[in-house]
Amino acid sequence: GNSVTQMEGPVTLSEEAFLTINCTYTATGYPSLFWYVQYPGEGLQLLLKATKADDKGSNKGFEATYRKETTSFHLEKGSVQVSDSAVYFCALSSGGYNKLIFGAGTRLAVHP
Amino acid sequence: DVKVTQSSRYLVKRTGEKVFLECVQDMDHENMFWYRQDPGLGLRLIYFSYDVKMKEKGDIPEGYSVSREKKERFSLILESASTNQTSMYLCASSSDRSNQPQHFGDGTRLSIL
Repeated sequence: GNSVTQMEGPVTLSEEAFLTINCTYTATGYPSLFWYVQYPGEGLQLLLKATKADDKGSNKGFEATYRKETTSFHLEKGSVQVSDSAVYFCALSSGGYNKLIFGAGTRLAVHP
Repeated sequence: DVKVTQSSRYLVKRTGEKVFLECVQDMDHENMFWYRQDPGLGLRLIYFSYDVKMKEKGDIPEGYSVSREKKERFSLILESASTNQTSMYLCASSSDRSNQPQHFGDGTRLSIL
C-alpha cells in the first residue's frame, strides 16, 4: 500500500543553518505530494505542494522537488530561523477524495 | 481564507461517557476528515465524509462514529470513551477538485480519565 517515510527527529540546528528533512514515499500511480507544518499548540498548515514529477513547490523560503526516480520529496531551506521551530509532516494523496497519508512527522528545533 | 473551527481546544471526559467533537468549515467544502494524532505515529485517519450523510471508514474507525447532517459540519462521536482514546483530534476539509490540499482546524486535545 501507499506510505510515507520521514527522517526521525528531532533535528536541532543553529539559526541561519541549512535545513534538509528527508521524505520518501511508496505509491501506485501519480500522487500529489505535500509538506505541512504544525506550530506548537496549533493545527497543521499547508507549507507547499507538488502535483507531478519534477514540480518544485516553494513557500516562505522552503522548497521541495517531486523526484519520481528516487520517490522522494525532501524539504529544504537555505537559512532557518528560530520561528521555523515546529513539526513538519510529509504527505501524499491517496485513494481519491483528496485523502492523505502522512509521515510520522519531524520535529525541528532552531536555536539562536 | 478557509476556516475550520473545532468546538473545543481541550476536553476532559470520563471512561464510558459518550463524547462529541464538533467541526465546522466555512468554505463549502465537500470533503471532511477526522484524524487522531499521537506521538511517533503521525496522523491517522478515523473517518471521512464526501457529502452530506455520506461517510467512509478510515484506517482506525473502531470505537468511533461520525455524523454529517449539514455540509459545513462534521461530528466525531466516541460511543463509550476509553483511556486509549486520549489523543489530539484534528478535523480537516477539502474541496472535491483533484490535488487540492486539506485545511485543518486547531485540534482538540481530549483526555479520558
